[in-house]
Amino acid sequence: RKEVEQDPGPFNVPEGATVAFNCTYSNSASQSFFWYRQDCRKEPKLLMSVYSSGNEDGRFTAQLNRASQYISLLIRDSKLSDSATYLCVVNLNYQLIWGAGTKLIIKP
Amino acid sequence: GAVVSQHPSWVICKSGTSVKIECRSLDFQATTMFWYRQFPKQSLMLMATSNEGSKATYEQGVEKDKFLINHASLTLSTLTVTSAHPEDSSFYICSAAQGLDEKLFFGSGTQLSVL
Repeated sequence: RKEVEQDPGPFNVPEGATVAFNCTYSNSASQSFFWYRQDCRKEPKLLMSVYSSGNEDGRFTAQLNRASQYISLLIRDSKLSDSATYLCVVNLNYQLIWGAGTKLIIKP
Repeated sequence: GAVVSQHPSWVICKSGTSVKIECRSLDFQATTMFWYRQFPKQSLMLMATSNEGSKATYEQGVEKDKFLINHASLTLSTLTVTSAHPEDSSFYICSAAQGLDEKLFFGSGTQLSVL
């Protein structure tokens, strides 16, 4: 089992829709979690950290479920500019473990 | 699935020494590897792009003589921080591109602390 798993997609979603994807992690001792956004062939950019109580930043909501060992990202009212690859990152003992990313394509 | 192995995870060194970080693609051939640096609470910053068998392409502001990149094979790229100073303390991450679809796989990162 991979340490961090993501559905590679692509998720094809119409503009304005709500989309959500999950990321599962294998090590229950994982300490912190992040979502990164990456545009084609560019460096990933931190989208948001994921807190135990869940957190929201504008149209983006991140949640953590420690019991089931997954984190989720919800995007509301999707925009064309949201098209990107979303990377899940888990911090375990100060090592960052990266998922392979979920590709999201927003269509007009 | 594809895996990129990066070593070491942690390095603590004295100022003036050189540090080598390795990035290996374990089950695929990586024609292109990327090196990034991340300072606390900031996003990854691309340092350089290396293609197997040729010189690396450095981003503006990155000193090529200080950050030596070698990509001698399709499965290994190394980053050497020469004459490291405390301001070089950072988190360094590599990634490798697999195949024509250019999907990137990331290493686990190296935390460098220069005393």
